[in-house]
Amino acid sequence: KQEVTQIPAALSVPEGENLVLNCSFTDSAIYNLQWFRQDPGKGLTSLLLIQSSQREQTSGRLNASLDKSSGRSTLYIAASQPGDSATYLCAVSNAGNNRKLIWGLGTSLGVNP
Amino acid sequence: NAGVTQTPKFQVLKTGQSMTLQCAQDMNHEYMSWYRQDPGMGLRLIHYSVGAGITDQGEVPNGYNVSRSTTEDFPLRLLSAAPSQTSVYFCASSYSGRGGLYNEQFFGPGTRLTVL
Repeated sequence: KQEVTQIPAALSVPEGENLVLNCSFTDSAIYNLQWFRQDPGKGLTSLLLIQSSQREQTSGRLNASLDKSSGRSTLYIAASQPGDSATYLCAVSNAGNNRKLIWGLGTSLGVNP
Repeated sequence: NAGVTQTPKFQVLKTGQSMTLQCAQDMNHEYMSWYRQDPGMGLRLIHYSVGAGITDQGEVPNGYNVSRSTTEDFPLRLLSAAPSQTSVYFCASSYSGRGGLYNEQFFGPGTRLTVL
């Protein structure tokens, strides 16, 4: 059974710092992996989607990498800003049933001015 | 495009009451789904649909019904509300490309439901 883990559960950094959020999954037979952002009391916003055949995706200051063989993905945020404060969730879909997402519990990020 | 919309934003029910959470999308997405989000448990899939007239159960379907009569709408019905159904409910949709490729999911703003 696929399980997704995100470490750390919470992170606090000063503004301007580069940081890495981690996501690990137990079954490497994934279809894709998606990173989301959730602001308090709000819905989820998709940040990056990496297909299983890809190694990384970039959008602005965000870079997500995928290593299927080791069951890991990282979300790199460059030059963090207070507006980046949110919960970041990762989710995978399995190759066998690619429409269902299996979710991690998220990392709560605080960026201090 | 309005994207994925959900109504109501907040709802308080008494045990035993029934209600329908509405979800609509204007992106012509074939795939739609309902999740609930609870502290410490993450998001869990309730029901999903791969197209009009087709629905299937997710991880936690008990106590909920769905139907998909149109591509745009995917309502979630609580048959007899229980305190255990207090949660935040999210609707999501995605496009299914050629060959059933699974693409980026778009989420609605959520409905916060309290059952007393």
